[in-house]
Amino acid sequence: NAGVTQTPKFQVLKTGQSMTLQCAQDMNHNSMYWYRQDPGMGLRLIYYSASEGTTDKGEVPNGYNVSRLNKREFSLRLESAAPSQTSVYFCASTGGHRDEQFFGPGTRLTVL
Amino acid sequence: GQQLNQSPQSMFIQEGEDVSMNCTSSSIFNTWLWYKQDPGEGPVLLIALYKAGELTSNGRLTAQFGITRKDSFLNISASIPSDVGIYFCAGRIASGSRLTFGEGTQLTVNP
Repeated sequence: NAGVTQTPKFQVLKTGQSMTLQCAQDMNHNSMYWYRQDPGMGLRLIYYSASEGTTDKGEVPNGYNVSRLNKREFSLRLESAAPSQTSVYFCASTGGHRDEQFFGPGTRLTVL
Repeated sequence: GQQLNQSPQSMFIQEGEDVSMNCTSSSIFNTWLWYKQDPGEGPVLLIALYKAGELTSNGRLTAQFGITRKDSFLNISASIPSDVGIYFCAGRIASGSRLTFGEGTQLTVNP
């Protein structure tokens, strides 16, 4: 099992460019999440998907969109990147009988 | 919404010392999770707690689910340099609900 995988690992964008961050999990989990982590700060929830076909806003959704493509995949899109979106982005999934949450390795995004 | 206060924010200790950190919540939780994040990596689940009073160990790590269900504690015994990282607590008020995360404790271990 690979767990939660994310691509790309690193990305540099110019202001105004768009991109999609990909996330996939192979644990058959129902719920998936996107967080951002800024220096010296904890994890802030951007969007989540409680089950296939549903998505909901988290604490900091502005400037982002998400797609739950199927049970395995949950993507995060930046339509017009801004320097304030420079951050490390983590995808996570929750499931199993103990309802534990597992994280991917992260995508380090810099917006110039 | 729920708030989680994690303390201390940072710790600087000598190798071999024991470490304690804790999280307190404004709400009653039914699940507490503790994670460690190494530099440049994603958080990794260390210990999960599901019952008030539960005490669970993972090697040199021991975590407890507080009796009031509003707090949790993580202890690391005989610290080593590879314990360096950020430790996060997370709690959940009910099965299926979202996790609330603490701000993290940055641990530095001096050899």
